[in-house]
Amino acid sequence: DAGVTQSPTHLIKTRGQQVTLRCSPKSGHDTVSWYQQALGQGPQFIFQYYEEEERQRGNFPDRFSGHQFPNYSSELNVNALLLGDSALYLCASSSGLAPPRDEQFFGPGTRLTVL
Amino acid sequence: KQEVTQIPAALSVPEGENLVLNCSFTDSAIYNLQWFRQDPGKGLTSLLLIQSSQREQTSGRLNASLDKSSGRSTLYIAASQPGDSATYLCAVRRSGNTPLVFGKGTRLSVIA
Repeated sequence: DAGVTQSPTHLIKTRGQQVTLRCSPKSGHDTVSWYQQALGQGPQFIFQYYEEEERQRGNFPDRFSGHQFPNYSSELNVNALLLGDSALYLCASSSGLAPPRDEQFFGPGTRLTVL
Repeated sequence: KQEVTQIPAALSVPEGENLVLNCSFTDSAIYNLQWFRQDPGKGLTSLLLIQSSQREQTSGRLNASLDKSSGRSTLYIAASQPGDSATYLCAVRRSGNTPLVFGKGTRLSVIA
């Protein structure tokens, strides 16, 4: 079991550009959540995808959008990048059926630097 | 709005010492609480998950307790080792499949 995988590992962009980050969930999981972690802070929830639809969303602007594919993998897109978007972006997977433990498993993250 | 606070923000201890990390949350109506470990620049590794109906969970040298009514959890690490050096994050969930709400973490350094 490969666990949750994310690509790329690191990314450098300039202000105003657009970026796409990718996530493959743990085997057997169908729900993907994205979090943003600024330096020295705890992760902040961006949104969650289940059955190819955005199920929940945190307090992030519309510049942040996502997609889930039929194989449950997901993309996070950020348009019009700002310096403040520099962060570690974490993907977490879980089962949409909410088993009793309902545990989330995280990937290694993508480090985005905006210059 | 749920808020999670972790104290202390940073901790440095000599190898072999037992230690306690604290986590508090403002809304006691939680579904579960998870403790994570994060190495610098890396993702999160789940250490322990406590359901709202449970009082504690143990894994090896780690023991996590939950007092839902007072909005507190502690992570006890026995006989600390340099390899335990990392940031420890606490997160709570309001109900099944709702987002995790994280604290800012405690950065632990275990000195050999």
